[in-house]
Amino acid sequence: KAGVTQTPRYLIKTRGQQVTLSCSPISGHRSVSWYQQTPGQGLQFLFEYFSETQRNKGNFPGRFSGRQFSNSRSEMNVSTLELGDSALYLCASSLVGGNEQFFGPGTRLTVL
Amino acid sequence: AQSVTQLGSHVSVSEGALVLLRCNYSSSVPPYLFWYVQYPNQGLQLLLKYTSAATLVKGINGFEAEFKKSETSFHLTKPSAHMSDAAEYFCAVSDFTGGGNKLTFGTGTQLKVEL
Repeated sequence: KAGVTQTPRYLIKTRGQQVTLSCSPISGHRSVSWYQQTPGQGLQFLFEYFSETQRNKGNFPGRFSGRQFSNSRSEMNVSTLELGDSALYLCASSLVGGNEQFFGPGTRLTVL
Repeated sequence: AQSVTQLGSHVSVSEGALVLLRCNYSSSVPPYLFWYVQYPNQGLQLLLKYTSAATLVKGINGFEAEFKKSETSFHLTKPSAHMSDAAEYFCAVSDFTGGGNKLTFGTGTQLKVEL
């Protein structure tokens, strides 16, 4: 069974631009969560989607948004990029009612 | 709100020595606890999880952890370290508020294994 896939793996953007990251969950998993990992703040929860609805949201500004499609694939978008948005963005999927999250390899975003 | 604290941001052990990585939790409800490992430039891999069944949990790669409610701890151990264990380890607790499943992570412990 294929794991969680994230595209692209690496991305370089400049301040003010916007970016879209993609996540394909493990087949059969309908819950997708996003996390941001930085050296200073560690791993922080961004949001969780289930059945195309945002179920939970972390403490991030409105520039961070996401969505989920009917096939459970998810995207997150960051608008008006700031230098501090440079991070590893991790996606995780889980089964309905499951307590275990499976992580993808992440997208490394660098904002110049 | 649930939280976890990892004591020691860096731990160094000799190959073959005991590995002990510490994690203490704070939770108003019986917690679900996890240990994840992250190798450079990779995502997180689940080592083991505690979900209110057996208090001694065995995971992959020879790791195990013991849930101790009286000490609010969930320390990770491995009897004999191997060079391939060098990585960053994260303790996490699940928060099911709102019907979802959000993980709150500790700050991580970088494990170094020396010859």
